Amino acid sequence: GAGVSQSPSNKVTEKGKDVELRCDPISGHTALYWYRQSLGQGLEFLIYFQGNSAPDKSGLPSDRFSAERTGGSVSTLTIQRTQQEDSAVYLCASSLTATGLNQPQHFGDGTRLSIL
Amino acid sequence: GESVGLHLPTLSVQEGDNSIINCAYSNSASDYFIWYKQESGKGPQFIIDIRSNMDKRQGQRVTVLLNKTVKHLSLQIAATQPGDSAVYFCAERKETSGSRLTFGEGTQLTVNP
Repeated sequence: GAGVSQSPSNKVTEKGKDVELRCDPISGHTALYWYRQSLGQGLEFLIYFQGNSAPDKSGLPSDRFSAERTGGSVSTLTIQRTQQEDSAVYLCASSLTATGLNQPQHFGDGTRLSIL
Repeated sequence: GESVGLHLPTLSVQEGDNSIINCAYSNSASDYFIWYKQESGKGPQFIIDIRSNMDKRQGQRVTVLLNKTVKHLSLQIAATQPGDSAVYFCAERKETSGSRLTFGEGTQLTVNP
């Protein structure tokens, strides 16, 4: 499809396990963002990638969270030793560029993560 | 502190009426604002954006107004339809925080037939 694609759409796991969430941005978009949305809340910024530049990781809540973007396209967000407070919807967005002209971010439908 | 917030958490309107959703921001350095619509189980959908050098921008059935003097942003939806029922978020980009967006908590719009 033409939009941002995320997988899995739902993930249920036990506390202490590691999880990997995947994001396929819109083709041609050089900027990619991860946000987290808790139930009934707004979105919380986690990390963003722009081309080959060093990512802005300033929103990651702890060192259990990491993300990478391979080949300037697909990104994975990894959460190690999951805790119950990690339960949320993890949303990925992409935009044509992160610098210069203001470009709207386009979102996928997210991965709903539930930690038991 | 710096924040983007909404005046009303819920808004209920009759089909065909105009809707106005409000948003306040506190950082005068914000240079770009976006409105998103989020339906249940879906990701936010881009509606309209506005740069800080503008005070009004129109789209199809939607208008965004920006009042920098009082740090206020609004989204007007004309002839509201049942399909407009969703949560609406405003988001701001601050020059000093790179390209991240800061989101408000959202307003639930319900359109009654």
